[in-house]
Amino acid sequence: SYVLTQPPSVSVAPGQTARITCGGNNIGSKSVHWYQQKPGQAPALVVYDDTDRPSGIPERFSGSNSGNTATLTISRVEAGDEADYYCQVWDSSSDHVVFGGGTKLTVL
Amino acid sequence: EVQLLESGGGLVQPGGSLRLSCAASGFTFSSYGMSWVRQAPGQGLEWVSAISGGGGLTYYADSVKGRFTISRDNSKNTLYLQMNSLRAEDTAVYYCAKVTGNPTRPSNYWGQGTLVTVSS
Repeated sequence: SYVLTQPPSVSVAPGQTARITCGGNNIGSKSVHWYQQKPGQAPALVVYDDTDRPSGIPERFSGSNSGNTATLTISRVEAGDEADYYCQVWDSSSDHVVFGGGTKLTVL
Repeated sequence: EVQLLESGGGLVQPGGSLRLSCAASGFTFSSYGMSWVRQAPGQGLEWVSAISGGGGLTYYADSVKGRFTISRDNSKNTLYLQMNSLRAEDTAVYYCAKVTGNPTRPSNYWGQGTLVTVSS
């Protein structure tokens, strides 16, 4: 089955740039989606199809995807960005949705 | 405004059954795939199952295949998850989510979740 690998944690100071990676075999050939989940809340879609943002999501959130790594980039990080972030793909070989293990973003 | 409201969670003994429901409003329910995603306490997200807008296509995670059944009643704008032969490892908050199109697409709206606890 397809596996997505994320770092368990990323820390960044306010105003800096956070980069959260999602590794998978030839993930560049798939569409990657990213979710933000704050404590006690349901997940929320922040980036879809590698680079697109749903309405209402700040331009500070951006994505890229190439080779074996997809990346969620959060520019000018704010305290309110502190959350868990999950990448997700559709694995057509198994007809399964696959989530990464999640990355906890800490704003120092 | 899209709203998804899950219900049916609770405490059930190992080997027991439970049916979750998700009442949807604010969009044309039959036009969109729907999915169930769960989250065990302190753990990450785990996809459980998905269904196409018309209900003709269903997909299951290996961990629940043969035990769980996803279905929908488009006349009632309601999604279901029938869970049988429940195990302790099925304990989790279960979220229903609206997919942006067919079940291969991302989920752009989520309910607040319903807690299922499997314990004797």
